[in-house]
Amino acid sequence: EIVLTQSPVTLSLSPGERATLSCRASQSVSSYLAWYQQKPGQAPSLLIYGASNRATGIPARFSGSGSGTDFTLTISSLEPEDFAVYYCHQRSNWPLTFGQGTRLEI
Amino acid sequence: EVQVVESGGGLVQPGGSLRLSCAGSGFTFSTYWMSWVRQAPGKGLEWVADIRGDGGEKQYVDSVKGRFTISRDNAKNSLYLQMNSLRAEDTAVYYCARDWSRSFDPWGQGTLVTVSS
Repeated sequence: EIVLTQSPVTLSLSPGERATLSCRASQSVSSYLAWYQQKPGQAPSLLIYGASNRATGIPARFSGSGSGTDFTLTISSLEPEDFAVYYCHQRSNWPLTFGQGTRLEI
Repeated sequence: EVQVVESGGGLVQPGGSLRLSCAGSGFTFSTYWMSWVRQAPGKGLEWVADIRGDGGEKQYVDSVKGRFTISRDNAKNSLYLQMNSLRAEDTAVYYCARDWSRSFDPWGQGTLVTVSS
């Protein structure tokens, strides 16, 4: 099983600041890495697929990078609606797995 | 609009059974892998199972193998999860999601399964 480790667990920032979230895989997942955002009481929603491709309707302030075992989600300038939990997810091998999440808080 | 909608959750006793359903619309259902993902209260996301578009291949997380069965009816644009021998640790919100470009999109709103006596 591929283990995804996200860091930090909690990130405290202010609107307008830059956020950098990390996801490290226990073995290579190539570029089969996705990022999701989940707000309280809501289902997760897709942000980034294929490590660096923004999903439809996702603002340009969200960007993804990396390949192999090390990945980064960057939010260039935080908006109030960006404070949420973010999960990475690998689609390289079964069982499909998620990171434990990073809580982005004000 | 592409969407998936789950139903069938509820309260069930340990050892009991429940069948979840998911209706897809706005896309050619039969051409997509579909998945179930769950989230225990206050916890992270856990992939449970997925099924190929023609139903010919299925995969499960180890913790549900032999107890849960994923299936689909493409004529009805529907996905199912038959859950048997339920345990307290199966308590979670269960999400249906379409597999798209090696990601999950969209997700349904989720259906809560509570296993308790």
